[in-house]
Amino acid sequence: NAGVMQNPRHLVRRRGQEARLRCSPMKGHSHVYWYRQLPEEGLKFMVYLQKENIIDESGMPKERFSAEFPKEGPSILRIQQVVRGDSAAYFCASYTGNAGELFFGEGSRLTVL
Amino acid sequence: TQLLEQSPQFLSIQEGENLTVYCNSSSVFSSLQWYRQEPGEGPVLLVTVVTGGEVKKLKRLTFQFGDARKDSSLHITAAQPGDTGLYLCAGVFGSNTGKLIFGQGTTLQVKP
Repeated sequence: NAGVMQNPRHLVRRRGQEARLRCSPMKGHSHVYWYRQLPEEGLKFMVYLQKENIIDESGMPKERFSAEFPKEGPSILRIQQVVRGDSAAYFCASYTGNAGELFFGEGSRLTVL
Repeated sequence: TQLLEQSPQFLSIQEGENLTVYCNSSSVFSSLQWYRQEPGEGPVLLVTVVTGGEVKKLKRLTFQFGDARKDSSLHITAAQPGDTGLYLCAGVFGSNTGKLIFGQGTTLQVKP
């Protein structure tokens, strides 16, 4: 999983601010998944993207959250007007798309004050 | 809604003891994975089981998939302090093999 790069590793925001989390998948991987891990809970699927397309966003909150995976550059998970309940670890995972292994990054830990 | 129930949630044992972690669902999995997660890091895949009744071994870890593909277990023999960590099961329900339903996790502490 060392090949999936997430930044920042830690992010502190005040309520109402915006948080942007970035994920660069492993080389050759064109599929990205975002998961959220709340304290004392397992990981929850948020969104699945391929280059320039959102394939499945059934796990994304309807408001304030958005994700993109542009043709060039990392995938970005954006949280607008953050609230304390958004405090969590956000993990990105990349995948070749050929029934291969899912590789997780080390996560971005968001703290909302 | 598919749910995975993982038990126990916490386990503290002495070095050398054996333990089993269970993962259950009322739904049939396409496949099931077990991960280990260290503090401050992302989950790392240990094994994937696909066929009902399948048993896989990884050194002192034995993974079993139920015949009906609704449950799985992880058995660790002669646990070592290095086995300490969070163990997660994750099920795939359908063809999207990257969209995982995770259990709540089992926090294992192995005391020397």
